[in-house]
Amino acid sequence: ELKVEQNPLFLSMQEGKNYTIYCNYSTTSDRLYWYRQDPGKSLESLFVLLSNGAVKQEGRLMASLDTKARLSTLHITAAVHDLSATYFCAVVSNAGKSTFGDGTTLTVKP
Amino acid sequence: NAGVTQTPKFRVLKTGQSMTLLCAQDMNHEYMYWYRQDPGMGLRLIHYSVGEGTTAKGEVPDGYNVSRLKKQNFLLGLESAAPSQTSVYFCASSRQGLEETQYFGPGTRLLVL
Repeated sequence: ELKVEQNPLFLSMQEGKNYTIYCNYSTTSDRLYWYRQDPGKSLESLFVLLSNGAVKQEGRLMASLDTKARLSTLHITAAVHDLSATYFCAVVSNAGKSTFGDGTTLTVKP
Repeated sequence: NAGVTQTPKFRVLKTGQSMTLLCAQDMNHEYMYWYRQDPGMGLRLIHYSVGEGTTAKGEVPDGYNVSRLKKQNFLLGLESAAPSQTSVYFCASSRQGLEETQYFGPGTRLLVL
């Protein structure tokens, strides 16, 4: 059974600081996704990572994938308040079945 | 282009009642998914479909049934609701191929008393 673990689960950081969220998964997969969810809202796709070594960047967020280590990271650079949200990683099996992590709730304080 | 829509947005049921949640997408996507999200947790896959007329079990399928009679619709049924099924239900769809991201609907809040 595929398991996906994120850490930390809660993250409070000051504006302007950098931090990394980690996503570990338990079985081989080359497909990993990052999503953002604002309170009371639906999920918004951030990144799709499809191969070992994949790196994608959008604004202050950068995601990477290491399939050998079964690890993805979401790096936040110079955080701003607008980034406050819950971030989920999800891994999809070859059969199309997706498994989500429990999410990392990020609060960026002035 | 409405994307993924869900009906209803909110529903209260009594234990033992039945209901059907409707998900519709207008993006001609092959894959569709039903998830539940409980407070403070990630999404758990209930059932999914890789094409019209197909369905498959996800992580937490017990107590739910699904149907995909039309490509654009994916129905989630609760035959006999239980308080443990109180949750927010999200539908999602994606194009064929696992490299495609999922697009999520706005969610349905279900309360079972």
